[in-house]
Amino acid sequence: EAQVTQNPRYLITVTGKKLTVTCSQNMNHEYMSWYRQDPGLGLRQIYYSMNVEVTDKGDVPEGYKVSRKEKRNFPLILESPSPNQTSLYFCASSFGGADQPQHFGDGTRLSIL
Amino acid sequence: DAKTTQPPSMDCAEGRAANLPCNHSTISGNEYVYWYRQIHSQGPQYIIHGLKNNETNEMASLIITEDRKSSTLILPHATLRDTAVYYCIVRVAIYTGANSKLTFGKGITLSVRP
Repeated sequence: EAQVTQNPRYLITVTGKKLTVTCSQNMNHEYMSWYRQDPGLGLRQIYYSMNVEVTDKGDVPEGYKVSRKEKRNFPLILESPSPNQTSLYFCASSFGGADQPQHFGDGTRLSIL
Repeated sequence: DAKTTQPPSMDCAEGRAANLPCNHSTISGNEYVYWYRQIHSQGPQYIIHGLKNNETNEMASLIITEDRKSSTLILPHATLRDTAVYYCIVRVAIYTGANSKLTFGKGITLSVRP
């Protein structure tokens, strides 16, 4: 089944403890992206990757890192999480092209205490 | 990207067609209309997209007016599981990194009643 898989689905952790949210897709998509969703602010793009080893900042990249060493994986790294990064995170992927729909994972709910 | 305007909410009866409107009066000729939905806090789900012509797939139909300033998403036989927030998104048809993000507005909350 074609899917975007995020792990973990839920995580409660403390300020400053490094964490990684993994994202994997099995559709051979070139493009991958991370969004965060907060009440009243909608979905905002954090980082995106047009292809392997090609990443760039979205609208709210501060406090996050990403890497794209393999086509299928696009992990989101919080080196020193802070409470303002408490949010619902979504990974998305697609083939290249504006006529290609992005497919989203089920989300990761992070709580930083 | 052109802005979109959707009513905040609507409801329909189960089994009936749900017609969800979207206004995008400033859309340009090289912009797609996309529809996504989000059920509770699940990941947004792609429904359909189009550029100029009407489109239909197994989930829905998309009707775009001739002047492209508005569109309607039609769920032909709504079920309770179609209760969700539906987002109409306009997306530039030029594929660059800066254009790659999807801009989700507030969407329209569809409530399907038994």
